[in-house]
Amino acid sequence: DAGVIQSPRHEVTEMGQEVTLRCKPISGHNSLFWYRQTMMRGLELLIYFNNNVPIDDSGMPEDRFSAKMPNASFSTLKIQPSEPRDSAVYFCASSWGGSYNEQFFGPGTRLTVL
Amino acid sequence: KQEVTQIPAALSVPEGENLVLNCSFTDSAIYNLQWFRQDPGKGLTSLLLIQSSQREQTSGRLNASLDKSSGRSTLYIAASQPGDSATYLCAVRPLGGGYQKVTFGTGTKLQVIP
Repeated sequence: DAGVIQSPRHEVTEMGQEVTLRCKPISGHNSLFWYRQTMMRGLELLIYFNNNVPIDDSGMPEDRFSAKMPNASFSTLKIQPSEPRDSAVYFCASSWGGSYNEQFFGPGTRLTVL
Repeated sequence: KQEVTQIPAALSVPEGENLVLNCSFTDSAIYNLQWFRQDPGKGLTSLLLIQSSQREQTSGRLNASLDKSSGRSTLYIAASQPGDSATYLCAVRPLGGGYQKVTFGTGTKLQVIP
């Protein structure tokens, strides 16, 4: 298995632009997590999907952030409009059987908003 | 609110030395605790997962222990190698029905000097 796949790996954009991050979970996994990692705040859960349904989006910082999971093999995290403070590494992780089981992380997308 | 602390934030040791990384958590009502390593520019790789009913888990040169009553876990690395250089994070999953959010520590950056 190729593991969790994220694209792009690096994204540089200007403030105010829309940014879309993509994730393909491991085949057969039914839970998907989006995390954000910064030096100041460490690793934070943004949103958790189970069977394509958002279960917990309490970590989404504000309305500029949105996430979708149209099917079991694809999810997006969108920021519109982007701001410099959104600069971080965004990770996608997947697991089988919900949040209690081992999560497998993707390589992350490093986002820089100028 | 669960708080997870990892001290020290950074550690540098000569190759061959045995070392211990620490993880402290404030709420002992946990379901399990997981140790990860993160290499620069990469995602998280799961190392060991300890269920709340277990005292320790071992994998190769790694041994993780858990003391729920004192809110502590340690990751012991025997005969350290330069390839062990990475950031090590612990993550605590709380008890409770349904979905429970994992809390990550801020990590210990380990450098093993040849």
